[in-house]
Order: sequence, then structure tokens, then C-alpha cells
Amino acid sequence: GAGVSQSPSNKVTEKGKDVELRCDPISGHTALYWYRQRLGQGLEFLIYFQGNSAPDKSGLPSDRFSAERTGESVSTLTIQRTQQEDSAVYLCASSPRAGVGNEQFFGPGTRLTVL
Amino acid sequence: GENVEQHPSTLSVQEGDSAVIKCTYSDSASNYFPWYKQELGKGPQLIIDIRSNVGEKKDQRIAVTLNKTAKHFSLHITETQPEDSAVYFCAATKGTSYGKLTFGQGTILTVHP
Repeated sequence: GAGVSQSPSNKVTEKGKDVELRCDPISGHTALYWYRQRLGQGLEFLIYFQGNSAPDKSGLPSDRFSAERTGESVSTLTIQRTQQEDSAVYLCASSPRAGVGNEQFFGPGTRLTVL
Repeated sequence: GENVEQHPSTLSVQEGDSAVIKCTYSDSASNYFPWYKQELGKGPQLIIDIRSNVGEKKDQRIAVTLNKTAKHFSLHITETQPEDSAVYFCAATKGTSYGKLTFGQGTILTVHP
């Protein structure tokens, strides 16, 4: 079946512009996670959705970052007034439900480059 | 919060040799430890996991061991093959974190034919 998809696969933008990244989770998965992966580093948690509510936004680096989710479907991560330090791969994962032991299925990521 | 340290950062082995990657974690409440494999240009994929009530788990050529007292866990790959070459990440989470994973920094494994 279809896995997690993300778009665009690559995004190059100028400093100060806003960008919107999209994630389509596996159908029926209620939990959705966003992570950021800087070059040569591990994944950093950004935000978690259960359905369309976000119980944990603790990983969002600043108020320039926001995310929303439509029902138990698509999620968008928006970065306003992008900075060069925002350059990274943004990964989305979905899981049948939240909680320990539920496998997270990752998308291929969106590579964001801020010039 | 949880902190996960992973070593080594790079590992080079000959085909057929074994490879071991080690991780330590800081939060004694963590109770689930997955390992992910990430190939170039792809998202991470779960390869094996272990819960805190188990000391060892094996799946064909890969195994994971957990020492709760020392707060460390390790990935063991035997009879390595070139297709095992990838970046490997360990992670940890606990019941109150609804699955939010804290990742190690990753290990680049290269298996030479």
C-alpha cells in the first residue's frame, strides 16, 4: 500500500520568505509526527498530532514555525521568515496510534535550503 | 528531557564481519528503544526494537541488547553485506511521551565487499 508521502521533495528559498511543507500520512494512521534532520545529525522532534489536535508542540524551535492537520489526514508545516539555520531535511512520520511500541513510518522528507 | 548518545559516528567493516553500534540514554523512565536504518535520500525505516522488559531480541542477522541498569543498548549485525551500508539511528521513548522519539546522532556504516 501507499506509504507516507511528502511534498515538495526539494525546496530552495530565499531568506525571509515563507515556506509550506506537506505531509500525507498512511490512511487510517491517527498519529503524525514532524522531525527535523540537520546535515549529519540525528532527528529532532518538532511536533506531534493526535487526529487534528497537537498535544505536544514542544519541539518547535521558534514562533516562526507552525503546523496544522486536517482531521486524520494531510498535515502542513509552515516556516515564516525563513533563516539560513532552517536549512535541513524535514521528515514526517505517521503511526496507527500514538504510544510506545507503535511503529512510526517515515516519509522521504523535504530538503529545505535557505539561501 | 531525554538525551541519547550514539557511538561510533562512522564504522567501516569488511563483508562478513560483525558490526556493533552502542547507545546510552539518560531518562530511566524510557521503556522502548527502536533502531532505524536510513538509506540515501530516503526516510528512516524501523529494523528492530526492544522494550525495557526484555534484555535481548534477535531477528535473523540483527540483534539488540538492552542493559537497563547501565542505561545502554546496542545493535549487533552479523555476517554484514554491502547492502547493510546505511546510516543507523537508535532512539528512545517512554509511555508518557505518546511515541515521541529522541534519536541518537547516527552511525554511518560502510560494508566493503
